[in-house]
Amino acid sequence: DTEVTQTPKHLVMGMTNKKSLKCEQHMGHRAMYWYKQKAKKPPELMFVYSYEKLSINESVPSRFSPECPNSSLLNLHLHALQPEDSALYLCASSHRPGGGNEQFFGPGTRLTVL
Amino acid sequence: QQQVKQSPQSLIVQKGGIPIINCAYENTAFDYFPWYQQFPGKGPALLIAIRPDVSEKKEGRFTISFNKSAKQFSLHIMDSQPGDSATYFCAALSLKAGGFKTIFGAGTRLFVKA
Repeated sequence: DTEVTQTPKHLVMGMTNKKSLKCEQHMGHRAMYWYKQKAKKPPELMFVYSYEKLSINESVPSRFSPECPNSSLLNLHLHALQPEDSALYLCASSHRPGGGNEQFFGPGTRLTVL
Repeated sequence: QQQVKQSPQSLIVQKGGIPIINCAYENTAFDYFPWYQQFPGKGPALLIAIRPDVSEKKEGRFTISFNKSAKQFSLHIMDSQPGDSATYFCAALSLKAGGFKTIFGAGTRLFVKA
């Protein structure tokens, strides 16, 4: 299984809602990542988990809260988002932190904040 | 110094042509240079990657040329096909620094005419 799965595929939420994005991989990878991608732009790194511990937070606003319950799962909890947070949210994993090996990306969750 | 500059922004070629995408970097700490291909509605997928001790790498129809002294690298797609139409991102990271942060170029949207 060489796949990273993400749910939901699409999400529409109001600014007062609380929602969560989920990511799962069963490749035994020990590093997992959240990226944000705006239209026609490259992915921007948000968070990195290494061996289930948060290793990097790229100064992401606290309305985004990551969680890594185990080595296969990665969540992104969303609360009080702004319309400018609308984007494609990508999860990725790699065999070891930073890869040097392939970084596998999921298909993303398309988030719209109204 | 953390940037990776990518050009052109968009590219249109005839089927069978050889599109060339160029990237340049400044940070000499970068020691791993992957290229990603992204189709609409999908996450990026690793295409090919190179380390700076190699001047050229081929995988199928895709070739990376690397010029360490000029701090430039490029992607060539031989015998391009309409199915190659996608956005291509060059990237760079430092494995010695832990390899957590991948710096992406701005992307090149390639369209291959049938």
